[in-house]
Amino acid sequence: DAGVIQSPRHEVTEMGQEVTLRCKPISGHNSLFWYRQTMMRGLELLIYFNNNVPIDDSGMPEDRFSAKMPNASFSTLKIQPSEPRDSAVYFCASSLLGQIATNEKLFFGSGTQLSVL
Amino acid sequence: LAKTTQPISMDSYEGQEVNITCSHNNIATNDYITWYQQFPSQGPRFIIQGYKTKVTNEVASLFIPADRKSSTLSLPRVSLSDTAVYYCLVATRGSQGNLIFGKGTKLSVKP
Repeated sequence: DAGVIQSPRHEVTEMGQEVTLRCKPISGHNSLFWYRQTMMRGLELLIYFNNNVPIDDSGMPEDRFSAKMPNASFSTLKIQPSEPRDSAVYFCASSLLGQIATNEKLFFGSGTQLSVL
Repeated sequence: LAKTTQPISMDSYEGQEVNITCSHNNIATNDYITWYQQFPSQGPRFIIQGYKTKVTNEVASLFIPADRKSSTLSLPRVSLSDTAVYYCLVATRGSQGNLIFGKGTKLSVKP
């Protein structure tokens, strides 16, 4: 299995530009998570999908952020317009279980390092 | 959501056993305890999970006392490559956004 695949690996953009991050979860996994990691705030859960449906987006910072999961094998996280404070590493993770279970195990991608200048 | 508390950092030397303790006083009856490891420039990686007593795999051991209010991750004979951040998670059934990571414990292994 190829694991969770994220692209691009690195993204450098200018303030005000639109940024789209992509994620392919592990085949057969029912849940998908987007996290953001910074030195100051650690790993923050942004949004969680179950069977392609957004379940909890309370972690999305503001309206500039949006996430979609059009099918079971693809998800995007979009920032429009981007700001310097959005600079961080964005991780996508997937899990097999179809609901939030207490023995959930997450499988993470390698992340996208985003730098907004 | 069961809040977890871990030491911010720990230092060790190669060949030593390292024990990282996580406190989770409000753990619920159905909660499992899961530990992840994160190397620089990589995403967290699942290493071990348990419910009670002791669990062991090829990477680590997890000790959980009877009251389950804490757990200890044990890494036998660490090497430089075990330098990483270790996260303890306790999930609560049905709680949206329950997979929330704390600050973790930064383990530094020295030669």
